[in-house]
Amino acid sequence: DGGITQSPKYLFRKEGQNVTLSCEQNLNHDAMYWYRQDPGQGLRLIYYSQIVNDFQKGDIAEGYSVSREKKESFPLTVTSAQKNPTAFYLCASSEPGQGYTEAFFGQGTRLTVV
Amino acid sequence: QKEVEQNSGPLSVPEGAIASLNCTYSDRGSQSFFWYRQYSGKSPELIMFIYSNGDKEDGRFTAQLNKASQYVSLLIRDSQPSDSATYLCAYYGNNRLAFGKGNQVVVIP
Repeated sequence: DGGITQSPKYLFRKEGQNVTLSCEQNLNHDAMYWYRQDPGQGLRLIYYSQIVNDFQKGDIAEGYSVSREKKESFPLTVTSAQKNPTAFYLCASSEPGQGYTEAFFGQGTRLTVV
Repeated sequence: QKEVEQNSGPLSVPEGAIASLNCTYSDRGSQSFFWYRQYSGKSPELIMFIYSNGDKEDGRFTAQLNKASQYVSLLIRDSQPSDSATYLCAYYGNNRLAFGKGNQVVVIP
């Protein structure tokens, strides 16, 4: 089945640690996105990539890093510089172009700092 | 000004009534507009998209787009308890997909 897989579903991080969230898609989509969602809030864009080996900062990129070495993979690293990383992280992909371009979401990773 | 604004607070509607949600956006270059539904603890799922001015109907849902006034709305007719969720407005423009904060809808049986 085609879709987006995020892992792990739950992740606990000690303060000062870097952690990497995985996002893999087999939809053959060019564009991939990472969002952060805090309780009762909408989705805030962290990073996005329109093509392999290229990515752009979103609205809240500080303390995060990404790579896009393969079309199907877009991992997100939450670094120790991110002071308040506890949140729900969502990865999405879409086929950009003119007009309609639906984004498909993974099931999310809930990150908690302990 | 934020890219996507959803200013209404939680919306409570009786079962069978119409729920009305509104969203304004700032980027006149926006190409496509979306309404996503998100249940608590789950990822968003697309329920409607629209990219032309006017109305688009799909079952109990109607999306309305007015590019001149920069707003998009969603009507849910014959609201059901299963419609209780957060509804997120989004638009695609400048190679990015931006979301509003969402509106929580509670359908009261």
